[in-house]
Amino acid sequence: GENVEQHPSTLSVQEGDSAVIKCTYSDSASNYFPWYKQELGKRPQLIIDIRSNVGEKKDQRIAVTLNKTAKHFSLHITETQPEDSAVYFCAATYNNNDMRFGAGTRLTVKP
Amino acid sequence: DGGITQSPKYLFRKEGQNVTLSCEQNLNHDAMYWYRQDPGQGLRLIYYSQIVNDFQKGDIAEGYSVSREKKESFPLTVTSAQKNPTAFYLCASSTGQAVTGELFFGEGSRLTVL
Repeated sequence: GENVEQHPSTLSVQEGDSAVIKCTYSDSASNYFPWYKQELGKRPQLIIDIRSNVGEKKDQRIAVTLNKTAKHFSLHITETQPEDSAVYFCAATYNNNDMRFGAGTRLTVKP
Repeated sequence: DGGITQSPKYLFRKEGQNVTLSCEQNLNHDAMYWYRQDPGQGLRLIYYSQIVNDFQKGDIAEGYSVSREKKESFPLTVTSAQKNPTAFYLCASSTGQAVTGELFFGEGSRLTVL
């Protein structure tokens, strides 16, 4: 089965700086890699995703990169703002039915 | 207003009691999932169902049971056999029968065993 490792577990940045969260996965057959944001007391929501046939995807201030050879993918947030403060989860889908989540990264953006 | 609704939001249970958490969706999604969230452990899959009257165990199914009698509903029962049931439970749904698209989550149910 799939195993997803996520680092760091906590991340604190100054407003305006960039934040990078990294995940590794174990199964080379994994083909879908979403990122979810969970604000305090709220439900997780999809912010960006990438499929295995793409190396990079960007949406305004957030981007995700995928390195299939190394089996890792990363979330990049530029020009961070206080409202970016949340817990971020990466995930990987194996065999189309099995989505495994990382343990989460608590991002704090200091004004 | 389309979405996925979980109830109750907070639930307290005495040891030895079974409790059932409700999950209803009006998104016309085929697939539904139950996750457990513990601090520092991310989301772990308990059960999932890709079609009515069918469901599969996830990583941590022991001590839990589900049913899928209607497309809209996927209740989770936490039985007395679950050794450490205090947790935050999230229900989710997705279109199609494969998890290669967005999961839509409910607001969660926090269960505390006294």
